Amino acid sequence: DVKVTQSSRYLVKRTGEKVFLECVQDMDHENMFWYRQDPGLGLRLIYFSYDVKMKEKGDIPEGYSVSREKKERFSLILESASTNQTSMYLCASSIPGQLVDEQFFGPGTRLTVL
Amino acid sequence: AQSVTQLDSQVPVFEEAPVELRCNYSSSVSVYLFWYVQYPNQGLQLLLKYLSGSTLVKGINGFEAEFNKSQTSFHLRKPSVHISDTAEYFCAVRESMNYGGSQGNLIFGKGTKLSVKP
Repeated sequence: DVKVTQSSRYLVKRTGEKVFLECVQDMDHENMFWYRQDPGLGLRLIYFSYDVKMKEKGDIPEGYSVSREKKERFSLILESASTNQTSMYLCASSIPGQLVDEQFFGPGTRLTVL
Repeated sequence: AQSVTQLDSQVPVFEEAPVELRCNYSSSVSVYLFWYVQYPNQGLQLLLKYLSGSTLVKGINGFEAEFNKSQTSFHLRKPSVHISDTAEYFCAVRESMNYGGSQGNLIFGKGTKLSVKP
């Protein structure tokens, strides 16, 4: 089974702190994604990556950056956390290709910025 | 541009009753369609997907969905729900003809919270 793990289930940070959210997948997937999930807004794509050292902006990249130095690891970085970044963050991975397109999700990190 | 509309944000239902969660999409090209489920305090899990072929798709846990191209809908159904089906359900769409770049990404609806009462 594909396993996507996220470094923390719950995280509390202070405004202005630099925050790292880590995601690791164990199935050699090329694609990795970071979403944030807010009540009534569903999932919104922050950044995605199709290969090592490759990244592309999603729908809401402002205030975030990412890093993909190894294929299995995709990190989301909040350079200076703000209260409006309090949210649930979900990481996902998938295999590229038209018929094999299921995204596998991690359990999520609930981030609170005080 | 693609979009997904889940018409009901919350659906309360009694145990053993049937349920339908509605999903409509807009796209100018052919699409792939997905339903994901999120149980409390967990990530998303794929319930079922439509890629091609039969328009009636069966998924896990007794759920099924029907793709209706003329109505651009992909409603999720279950004939008899259980307490354990209480969760949030997300419909998602992706263009089938393009891959690579943002065209290959999933577009999610805002979710429907299914609450099954005893």
